[in-house]
Amino acid sequence: DQQVKQNSPSLSVQEGRISILNCDYTNSMFDYFLWYKKYPAEGPTFLISISSIKDKNEDGRFTVFLNKSAKHLSLHIVPSQPGDSAVYFCAASGRRDDKIIFGKGTRLHILP
Amino acid sequence: NAGVTQTPKFQVLKTGQSMTLQCAQDMNHNSMYWYRQDPGMGLRLIYYSASEGTTDKGEVPNGYNVSRLNKREFSLRLESAAPSQTSVYFCASSEDGRYSPLHFGNGTRLTVT
Repeated sequence: DQQVKQNSPSLSVQEGRISILNCDYTNSMFDYFLWYKKYPAEGPTFLISISSIKDKNEDGRFTVFLNKSAKHLSLHIVPSQPGDSAVYFCAASGRRDDKIIFGKGTRLHILP
Repeated sequence: NAGVTQTPKFQVLKTGQSMTLQCAQDMNHNSMYWYRQDPGMGLRLIYYSASEGTTDKGEVPNGYNVSRLNKREFSLRLESAAPSQTSVYFCASSEDGRYSPLHFGNGTRLTVT
């Protein structure tokens, strides 16, 4: 049973526009959420996180929004740049244990 | 600053062979994790170690064993490799478990024929 879902395998966005990546979760025990970015042949790198006590966290061009009632979070990238082309993973962890569970990822293509 | 180091980078095994994937971190982190990445499946947690001396199963532990040798090192062992274990394996560490970001190594690409 998939606990963290990224339902869009890929997304194409024009350079300079906003990229919105979505993530849904099913486990109500999750209370900490993270986004990672991955380039080919490299390990994922941490981008931004949000605790369940907040509904928004911002870091430069990256903003994560959390809707607890809908069990949904999204990552906004504004403006999108060519270097943002990568695979983005949503991850979640909770009070129950130290497991950190990832979604399947969304491949973002930034078009010139 | 090395961060998380994984060895080897590439490995080819025959079915039934065994091997150990090594992982070491130099950030004095308490928690360490092993993930596998397969096409269309994302990153799946194999085993993790919340602190030195403890290990726990993740989402897909079957066919694997782990050892938290000390605070720095966390190894993953395949006792009898199977083609289904062909994957890219990532080791990661975090300062304090589930509420800290993970720092990943660059992965080990394993092929089992």
